[in-house]
Amino acid sequence: GIQVEQSPPDLILQEGANSTLRCNFSDSVNNLQWFHQNPWGQLINLFYIPSGTKQNGRLSATTVATERYSLLYISSSQTTDSGVYFCAVDDTGTASKLTFGTGTRLQVTL
Amino acid sequence: KAGVTQTPRYLIKTRGQQVTLSCSPISGHRSVSWYQQTPGQGLQFLFEYFSETQRNKGNFPGRFSGRQFSNSRSEMNVSTLELGDSALYLCASSLLESGANVLTFGAGSRLTVL
Repeated sequence: GIQVEQSPPDLILQEGANSTLRCNFSDSVNNLQWFHQNPWGQLINLFYIPSGTKQNGRLSATTVATERYSLLYISSSQTTDSGVYFCAVDDTGTASKLTFGTGTRLQVTL
Repeated sequence: KAGVTQTPRYLIKTRGQQVTLSCSPISGHRSVSWYQQTPGQGLQFLFEYFSETQRNKGNFPGRFSGRQFSNSRSEMNVSTLELGDSALYLCASSLLESGANVLTFGAGSRLTVL
């Protein structure tokens, strides 16, 4: 099956810093989503981005489908950004079976 | 618009028992999928239902089963519980519109098996 690798595995930032999270996938995909998992376990959808670039406030994401990677940018980080960020992809064509990466654990400190 | 609702949120069972978890999708969403999250294996796909039919199944033993009702609500069942079944079980629903299929997750059901 498709492989999804995320880097870095852990990241510690001071509040106000910027960061880039990377997701590499091993095959072409028709669905790619970025999620933020908060400390209570809730997975919050950040972006649906199988290709192209999107921005939402301090967050933006870019997927280069031909090169099989996606990037999540976090600018001016805040303590509420802490948690685990997951990239998830689907290559089955059904668009509902996601394969998740192992995540990037982000801690934002004061 | 209400989100995806999962019940119960927390439960404790003993080995050998069975458990049923429930998921109510967002109104109008017909696809419901289930995922298991453990520290060792991460997030893994269990199965997906659409219009009461199982469309996809992950690599889990037959002890894990599910179903979907005509109102799109879904249940999953785990029989003969093992210690390794302790996990956060997440349900997601989606609209399955052409061109984009965004999965929205519930808060999860945290199962502890003793």
